[in-house]
Amino acid sequence: AQTVTQSQPEMSVQEAETVTLSCTYDTSENNYYLFWYKQPPSRQMILVIRQEAYKQQNATENRFSVNFQKAAKSFSLKISDSQLGDTAMYFCAFMKHKDGDSNYQLIWGAGTKLIIKP
Amino acid sequence: NAGVTQTPKFRVLKTGQSMTLLCAQDMNHEYMYWYRQDPGMGLRLIHYSVGEGTTAKGEVPDGYNVSRLKKQNFLLGLESAAPSQTSVYFCASSSWWQSYNEQFFGPGTRLTVL
Repeated sequence: AQTVTQSQPEMSVQEAETVTLSCTYDTSENNYYLFWYKQPPSRQMILVIRQEAYKQQNATENRFSVNFQKAAKSFSLKISDSQLGDTAMYFCAFMKHKDGDSNYQLIWGAGTKLIIKP
Repeated sequence: NAGVTQTPKFRVLKTGQSMTLLCAQDMNHEYMYWYRQDPGMGLRLIHYSVGEGTTAKGEVPDGYNVSRLKKQNFLLGLESAAPSQTSVYFCASSSWWQSYNEQFFGPGTRLTVL
């Protein structure tokens, strides 16, 4: 069974700083997807960034980038030039690669609470 | 497009009462999911559906039932609510056609069972 571990329950940084959230996972699959979701106080779950395991290049989305280390089963999220609006819970999630009609269940980490201080 | 909507947003039940949570999506997605979110934990899958008229159990299905009579709707039922079912419930949907199967989430329902 797949598991996802986020070892940092809470982090806080000053506005404009760079912060890295860590995520490790365990799986025997070779093809899969990894996601970072953001959940602000509004509770809405928002996709931040995704990574396909077969791609060696790390995904980037504006100020958000990942460091994907497949052999180490590590998937960290880096937020550059942090903004007050980045304050939220951040969840790392794993999904097996699509295969026929299999359920594409997301396996979630426990989350990291990120606080951006002015 | 409204995306994924959930009704109601908040609910308080007494132990033993029943209720139904409604999820609706207007994106013509094949897959729909019900998750629960508890403090200090990630989301856990309760039930899911891969198409109209089909449902299946997820990780934590006990105490819940679901139905998907229409493609756009996915109902989650609690027949006899228990305090352990106090949680925030999220519905999500996704498209079979996307290789990475991105899930789109509703705003959540906060349920308290006294």
